[in-house]
Amino acid sequence: ETGVTQTPRHLVMGMTNKKSLKCEQHLGHNAMYWYKQSAKKPLELMFVYNFKEQTENNSVPSRFSPECPNSSHLFLHLHTLQPEDSALYLCASSQDKSVGTSDTDTQYFGPGTRLTVL
Amino acid sequence: GIQVEQSPPDLILQEGANSTLRCNFSDSVNNLQWFHQNPWGQLINLFYIPSGTKQNGRLSATTVATERYSLLYISSSQTTDSGVYFCAVKETSGSRLTFGEGTQLTVNP
Repeated sequence: ETGVTQTPRHLVMGMTNKKSLKCEQHLGHNAMYWYKQSAKKPLELMFVYNFKEQTENNSVPSRFSPECPNSSHLFLHLHTLQPEDSALYLCASSQDKSVGTSDTDTQYFGPGTRLTVL
Repeated sequence: GIQVEQSPPDLILQEGANSTLRCNFSDSVNNLQWFHQNPWGQLINLFYIPSGTKQNGRLSATTVATERYSLLYISSSQTTDSGVYFCAVKETSGSRLTFGEGTQLTVNP
């Protein structure tokens, strides 16, 4: 199993649909992240979870709702999205340097979900 | 927040050529990563290098933290090196990675 997996890889949805993106990390990390990458733009941080607790919400609209049931799983629930929300959504995980024996907080990324909102 | 500038924004090379990509940042950092994003969107870790020099095959990276820049060297480039190269940093006083806008590299056969 690769380090960070995401499903689905591609998603097309209408503006009235409700869907969820799933991320799973197999690296034993304690922090997980959602990023959004729009066309021709750098990655934008959306949410950060540390030990299942949300520690950052980067002014993300409420139509994006994250959920972190445990340190290995992260979801992004989507509802009433807009066409401008079409983007590549990337999940990442890392180990907090202050916990355990890790001396780096390298972030590892999943393959992403390419979302199209019609 | 911290500013991250990458240069050049676009680079076109012939296979076999060498190149240097640059990342400048505006504040002290305790995390700096270089990534390669392939055409399918996957971000591949290249280096974790908040300071010093590292090498991995044809790639090497150097970060001079006191002067707030990092360099990524690609030698004997191959067509599979094409894609976008991102630098990302975390400032010493912060908790999030901030990404640069990337360098789009195209290696022609």
